[in-house]
Amino acid sequence: KQEVTQIPAALSVPEGENLVLNCSFTDSAIYNLQWFRQDPGKGLTSLLLIQSSQREQTSGRLNASLDKSSGRSTLYIAASQPGDSATYLCAVTQGGSEKLVFGKGTKLTVNP
Amino acid sequence: GAGVSQSPSNKVTEKGKDVELRCDPISGHTALYWYRQSLGQGLEFLIYFQGNSAPDKSGLPSDRFSAERTGGSVSTLTIQRTQQEDSAVYLCASSLFPRGPLTGELFFGEGSRLTVL
Repeated sequence: KQEVTQIPAALSVPEGENLVLNCSFTDSAIYNLQWFRQDPGKGLTSLLLIQSSQREQTSGRLNASLDKSSGRSTLYIAASQPGDSATYLCAVTQGGSEKLVFGKGTKLTVNP
Repeated sequence: GAGVSQSPSNKVTEKGKDVELRCDPISGHTALYWYRQSLGQGLEFLIYFQGNSAPDKSGLPSDRFSAERTGGSVSTLTIQRTQQEDSAVYLCASSLFPRGPLTGELFFGEGSRLTVL
């Protein structure tokens, strides 16, 4: 059974700092990995999608990497801003399945 | 529509009542998913639709839960005889393709918050 773990559960940083969020999964037979952002009381917003054949994806100040063999992904946020404060969720699509398996998220607070 | 639309946004009901939650996916999206997010828990998969059929309903917690999709568009999640443990945010998502090696992204609605008293 696929399990997705995100560390740390919460992170507080000063504005301007570069930071890394971690995601690990137990079964490397995945189709892809997706990072989402969730603001309080809101749905999920897709940030980056990495196919199983890819190593990384970039969007603006965000960079996500994928090491399928070791079961790890990282989300790098450059020059963090207070508006980046949210919960960041990692999810994998298991091979042979259409459903995403989510981690419990990292709650990020960027202090002005 | 421009995004995934869910209704109601909030629902308070008494234990034992039936509730219906509605999801209107992005126009043209063939795949539709229901997830549940409970306080302190991760997102829990409930059911997946491809068109009007549900190839994977393995996440439905009990036979009190059912879902249907009509016209390849709107979906309704029905919870019968609600229990307090059903209290959660129910999230719907849609995507342009079935998820797989050539998959597209998953787009989520803002959820329906269900509180069972």
